[in-house]
Amino acid sequence: NAGVTQTPKFRILKIGQSMTLQCTQDMNHNYMYWYRQDPGMGLKLIYYSVGAGITDKGEVPNGYNVSRSTTEDFPLRLELAAPSQTSVYFCASSYGGVSGNTIYFGEGSWLTVV
Amino acid sequence: QKEVEQDPGPLSVPEGAIVSLNCTYSNSAFQYFMWYRQYSRKGPELLMYTYSSGNKEDGRFTAQVDKSSKYISLFIRDSQPSDSATYLCAMSADNNNDMRFGAGTRLTVKP
Repeated sequence: NAGVTQTPKFRILKIGQSMTLQCTQDMNHNYMYWYRQDPGMGLKLIYYSVGAGITDKGEVPNGYNVSRSTTEDFPLRLELAAPSQTSVYFCASSYGGVSGNTIYFGEGSWLTVV
Repeated sequence: QKEVEQDPGPLSVPEGAIVSLNCTYSNSAFQYFMWYRQYSRKGPELLMYTYSSGNKEDGRFTAQVDKSSKYISLFIRDSQPSDSATYLCAMSADNNNDMRFGAGTRLTVKP
């Protein structure tokens, strides 16, 4: 069972570069999420999607973009990378919303912006 | 004041000890309360969830929610070295997809 798969695992970016973090799930989940986790801080929601073609902002969306063209894929785009975007990024999915449903997380993508 | 407060620890206990992990929160709209376990360099995995106030038990784990005090707890009985991880509390309101997390408590269980 693959579950939620994220790529790349590690990446170093230079300030001003752009990149896409890929996320795919094979559980046919409607809901998908992107979180970031900084040291000493809880996970913070960047964007989420309740189904193909529908996305919405979370708590910390600035500097990021997402798209959801299929049920399986939910890529996160970083435009003009800044040092403040150095973080660990987690993609997650669930059958229903976060309330009362199990959220399945990927293994994370470690991003450093220098 | 953070919306969800959690003591980051670290917490170190001997094998077999009872562990108590806690979070406080300020948003009275929260109705769903979750505990996630996160091993080093891995994504969080759901341990338990509780709706509204009350207790819930699953094996060696017990989750308690006291909405009147805005306080939640996770107890681990007979702790094992394999329980060594970071434990994150999380909570959400009805029909809201923005789950709020605590900072996580790092636990080490020593053999």
